[in-house]
Amino acid sequence: RKEVEQDPGPFNVPEGATVAFNCTYSNSASQSFFWYRQDCRKEPKLLMSVYSSGNEDGRFTAQLNRASQYISLLIRDSKLSDSATYLCVVNIGDMRFGAGTRLTVKP
Amino acid sequence: ETGVTQTPRHLVMGMTNKKSLKCEQHLGHNAMYWYKQSAKKPLELMFVYNFKEQTENNSVPSRFSPECPNSSHLFLHLHTLQPEDSALYLCASSPRQGSAGANVLTFGAGSRLTVL
Repeated sequence: RKEVEQDPGPFNVPEGATVAFNCTYSNSASQSFFWYRQDCRKEPKLLMSVYSSGNEDGRFTAQLNRASQYISLLIRDSKLSDSATYLCVVNIGDMRFGAGTRLTVKP
Repeated sequence: ETGVTQTPRHLVMGMTNKKSLKCEQHLGHNAMYWYKQSAKKPLELMFVYNFKEQTENNSVPSRFSPECPNSSHLFLHLHTLQPEDSALYLCASSPRQGSAGANVLTFGAGSRLTVL
């Protein structure tokens, strides 16, 4: 089983849509969790940390389910500029990355 | 300069060449990392340095040789590479190595390597 698993997509959605990504992880000792965003031919950048109680940052909401070992990211009111690859990251002492989910938001 | 700077941004080399990738961070971090990113694959952690000491080597072939002279600089020396080593090599830094929630990674823009 992969350490961090994501649906690669692509997800193609219209502007204004709500889209959700899930991610599962295999190491139950994982301590901290993040979503990173990577634009085409650019480096990954931190989008948000994921807290046990769930957290929101504007149009973005992250949830963590430790019992089922999955993390989710919800994007509301999608913008064209949200088009990117979203990387699920799990910290087990070192950061382990999923392969990413590609999102394209279309006009 | 701020953040994490990598040079060169692009490198083309033959299999018999020796070259080096350089990374410099201006964030006052104590941990530095090399990751390899190949198309449609997860980032692969290669090496970790924490307070200048190498703490992880993820079974990386010896044709890749890291060097960390101080907490701000990290090198990846390349020698007799193979075409399958062509990838984006990303350097990152964090306050320290470990599982704390605040220990996020800041990446450089990467060095895109092509091995002919």
